[in-house]
Parts: sequence; C-alpha cells; structure tokens
Amino acid sequence: RKEVEQDPGPFNVPEGATVAFNCTYSNSASQSFFWYRQDCRKEPKLLMSVYSSGNEDGRFTAQLNRASQYISLLIRDSKLSDSATYLCVVEGYSSASKIIFGSGTRLSIRP
Amino acid sequence: NAGVMQNPRHLVRRRGQEARLRCSPMKGHSHVYWYRQLPEEGLKFMVYLQKENIIDESGMPKERFSAEFPKEGPSILRIQQVVRGDSAAYFCASSPDSLNQPQHFGDGTRLSIL
Repeated sequence: RKEVEQDPGPFNVPEGATVAFNCTYSNSASQSFFWYRQDCRKEPKLLMSVYSSGNEDGRFTAQLNRASQYISLLIRDSKLSDSATYLCVVEGYSSASKIIFGSGTRLSIRP
Repeated sequence: NAGVMQNPRHLVRRRGQEARLRCSPMKGHSHVYWYRQLPEEGLKFMVYLQKENIIDESGMPKERFSAEFPKEGPSILRIQQVVRGDSAAYFCASSPDSLNQPQHFGDGTRLSIL
C-alpha cells in the first residue's frame, strides 16, 4: 500500500460547482497534514494545513478522519482559477523528518 | 523576496556533463528538501538536509547524485554524468523545523538533457 494515495482524476466540473477530493494515508501515527496546489509547470504552493478539528478558509474546507485515515478537501463555488493539481501531504513514518506528497488530483473547472 | 531561491531556472546539459542546482532556503529556515518531478508525474522526495548534515537521502539514486548544504552558502544538488532520464523539474523546499511545519517551495530548476 502506498503511504499516501490520491485519485488522480481528472475531475472536470462546471464553474460554481462543489467538488471534494479525498486522500488516504497508511501511517496511523501521522501528525502533519497539508493540502498544496500546483499549477502546470509551477512550484507547489501551500493551500492549507489540516487540523484535527477540521478547518475552513473561504471556499475551502479541509477535514481529517483519523479513524479511516484520510483527509479531504472541499471546494465550494468553484472558480476557473481553481483549476490545478491538488497535492495531499502527510508526514511519513519511514523517516521522522520526511513528508510524503501524494501524486495529486487534477481539477479542471469549465465555464 | 525572502522566499526560497533556486537557480538556475533552466539548465541545459549534454549527456555526460555535470549539473549543479542551487537552493537558498527562506530566511530563518534551516531544513532543506529536494524533490524531482518528471513530466505528468508527482513530486518524488530525494533528500532532506540540515546545515552540514544529510538527514534522509532515501530518495536519492545510488549513483551520480549527491547533495550538500554547507555551513555557508546554498544547498547544492549535483548530478554527475547526466543522462536523458535526468530531464525533470527539480524543486527545493525549506522549512523552519522538520516536524509539523509546511514546506515552502522555490520556483524549481528545469533540467533538460540533450
């Protein structure tokens, strides 16, 4: 089993729709969780950290489910500018210092 | 700009040459990570360094690749005797602490091997 797994997509949704992605992880002892976005041929940028109680930032909501070992990202009222690849990041167990990036979920918002 | 600085942005090498990629972490960050991204693929962890120490190099190919983060100056990712398969985007990230802190990325170096 991969340490971090994401549905690669692509997700193709109309502008204004709500879309959600999940990301599963294998290390039950993981403590750190993040969502990054990466635009084509650009560097990954931190979107938001994921806290145990869940957190919201504008149209974006991140949640953590420790029992089922997954995190989720919900995007409401999607905009064309939300089109990107969304990367799930989890602290890995093979090294206390290594953070594992998922392969990413591609999202395309159509007008 | 106090962000992570990588240079060069683009690097072209012929097979057999050496490639040197540089990364200066954000001010106040002492942890540096290198990643490689092949076209249409995800980020692959290569190495994690602190000043003068390699903490985790489990993602580094066994041959031709090396990394350092000297006491003074930027971190260097060095690829000797490059081959076509080394063509990729190489991203550097830094963080103030290794645990529970998000990493901040540089713009990357696009390496092309002729």
